[in-house]
Amino acid sequence: GENVEQHPSTLSVQEGDSAVIKCTYSDSASNYFPWYKQELGKGPQLIIDIRSNVGEKKDQRIAVTLNKTAKHFSLHITETQPEDSAVYFCAASPDFGNEKLTFGTGTRLTIIP
Amino acid sequence: DTGVSQDPRHKITKRGQNVTFRCDPISEHNRLYWYRQTLGQGPEFLTYFQNEAQLEKSRLLSNRFSAERPKGSFSTLEIQRTEQGDSAMYLCASSLTRTGGNGYTFGSGTRLTVV
Repeated sequence: GENVEQHPSTLSVQEGDSAVIKCTYSDSASNYFPWYKQELGKGPQLIIDIRSNVGEKKDQRIAVTLNKTAKHFSLHITETQPEDSAVYFCAASPDFGNEKLTFGTGTRLTIIP
Repeated sequence: DTGVSQDPRHKITKRGQNVTFRCDPISEHNRLYWYRQTLGQGPEFLTYFQNEAQLEKSRLLSNRFSAERPKGSFSTLEIQRTEQGDSAMYLCASSLTRTGGNGYTFGSGTRLTVV
């Protein structure tokens, strides 16, 4: 089955700086890679996703890159703000997300004012 | 539509009791998923439905766990004879299958504490 590894487990950055979270996956059949943000006491919220036919995707301050050959993908947050503080999860899925997701273990991001 | 709704938000039960959780997905979504999340970990897949059909349940943690979606709308997850190790957040998500795929929408979860 799929195995997703995520690093780092915790990350602290100064407000305004950039944050990068990295994930690797094992199953070459995976073709859909979403990122979720989870705040305390809430369910995960989809913030951005990428499909295997795309190398990079941006949405305002958030971007995701995918390297299919190396089986890794990354989340980039620029100009970080205090409200970006949360736990972030990467995930992988076959069939473009129409099947189950395998999640990484999460990164606790803290933005220092 | 207000998103995926889960009830109750919190449940405290004594070891050995049975518990049932309910999930109401986004109305037009045909797929419904159950995940379990323990402290400091990512969500772990349990089972999923397409309409009323349960497509995969091999990840249900033991035969004490069962899920239903009788009319293809809401779903229930039951845990029988609860154990302390069942304490976790139980998350429900829904999606609409389509060519090219899409993202899930998660509910806020039911936090189970077994004492």
